[in-house]
Amino acid sequence: DTGVSQNPRHKITKRGQNVTFRCDPISEHNRLYWYRQTLGQGPEFLTYFQNEAQLEKSRLLSDRFSAERPKGSFSTLEIQRTEQGDSAMYLCASSLMTGEGKNIQYFGAGTRLSVL
Amino acid sequence: AQTVTQSQPEMSVQEAETVTLSCTYDTSESDYYLFWYKQPPSRQMILVIRQEAYKQQNATENRFSVNFQKAAKSFSLKISDSQLGDAAMYFCAAGAGNMLTFGGGTRLMVKP
Repeated sequence: DTGVSQNPRHKITKRGQNVTFRCDPISEHNRLYWYRQTLGQGPEFLTYFQNEAQLEKSRLLSDRFSAERPKGSFSTLEIQRTEQGDSAMYLCASSLMTGEGKNIQYFGAGTRLSVL
Repeated sequence: AQTVTQSQPEMSVQEAETVTLSCTYDTSESDYYLFWYKQPPSRQMILVIRQEAYKQQNATENRFSVNFQKAAKSFSLKISDSQLGDAAMYFCAAGAGNMLTFGGGTRLMVKP
């Protein structure tokens, strides 16, 4: 299966700790997105990359959140000094942006973060 | 900026019957796309159907079709011949080439 892969699937951490999530996109996809989904809500956009360039990061929730995609392949999302309000599902998606602008986003299964 | 509203938190349908899920949106973009995604419990989101805003013809994918009313900014999803496997959260989303803006979702229950 060559879908979007996210690890870990679940992460439990204590308040104040740092956490890092990984996303491996579909191999030929040039765009990668991060979303946050809280219980009972739709996903909320955080940031996205085209290849290794982070093109939008103003939607990151605070300066405790950061993302990288160093070689234009996998990406990591880090949350520093976690707070209980960070508990959510973190979703990654990837797409192949073409000149036709189709840009269909395919989602991974997500990483569920629980901050105690 | 875009907003997406799904006014039905829950819907229920009898197996083999037809159900319509509502979605309204607002956008300042002139060229945009609309999507319906399905999210089964504890599983990843799957694209159900996609509509280009510049196309007047409503998209269809097997048992799934949309009613796209551009002037009214309405984008409803019709599921025909509902099956037990259709039970899930359904999210309407709008995008203009990069980020997607999602509605709050509609939980669809299918009764056998």
